[in-house]
Amino acid sequence: EVQLVESGGGLVQPGGSLRLSCAASGFTFSSYWMHWVRQVPGKGLVWVSRINSDGSSTSYADSVKGRFTISRDNAKNTLYLQMNSLRAEDTAVYYCARPGRYCSGGSCYWYFDYWGQGTLVTVSS
Amino acid sequence: DIQMTQSPSSLSASVGDRVTITCRASQSISSYLNWYQQKPGKAPKLLIYAAFSLQSGVPSRFSGSASGTDFTLTISSLQPEDFATYYCQQSNSTPLTFGGGTKVEIK
Repeated sequence: EVQLVESGGGLVQPGGSLRLSCAASGFTFSSYWMHWVRQVPGKGLVWVSRINSDGSSTSYADSVKGRFTISRDNAKNTLYLQMNSLRAEDTAVYYCARPGRYCSGGSCYWYFDYWGQGTLVTVSS
Repeated sequence: DIQMTQSPSSLSASVGDRVTITCRASQSISSYLNWYQQKPGKAPKLLIYAAFSLQSGVPSRFSGSASGTDFTLTISSLQPEDFATYYCQQSNSTPLTFGGGTKVEIK
């Protein structure tokens, strides 16, 4: 059974740092790209970052670029999100998500088929 | 960035109703469109991927369709467990973007 379990959320002051973890099990973690998605309570979903399977390529939303770093440890089956210079607007539930892929007619389509339960990050003084 | 405009933002419906939710992309995304259902306090759940394909285990009352840059999620006969918020998401290019959500409430 695929499982994604986030941890590391909590209360942090503006300007502070936090590292989120996502422990993966039930699938070959090292074969999958992984993503972080966040959601302000009561609001919509926002993509944050993604990392390729061996960690050599990353991508970020403009709102977190230069402040957040995504990484992974394939030996530990764990995904990370290092969050620095945190702002009040970073307050959200952070989900890790595994993409599935469907290929047909020469095209491959990506979607999030597994999500963690989320971890709440609150940035406040 | 590709903007995803979802409508309506909320709707009230009764059990047994046919419900339609629309998502419009700001540019062509082919069929790189997914639909999710989210209930309060829970992670999103994949319903439809690649615009039309039903995720395994999802009831057949859910279906997806597309016309150009307009995409539709249809629930053919609303059930009590379907009251939730629904999101579209494009996977054509990064940054991946979601629609603003449609909250389906009980009439």
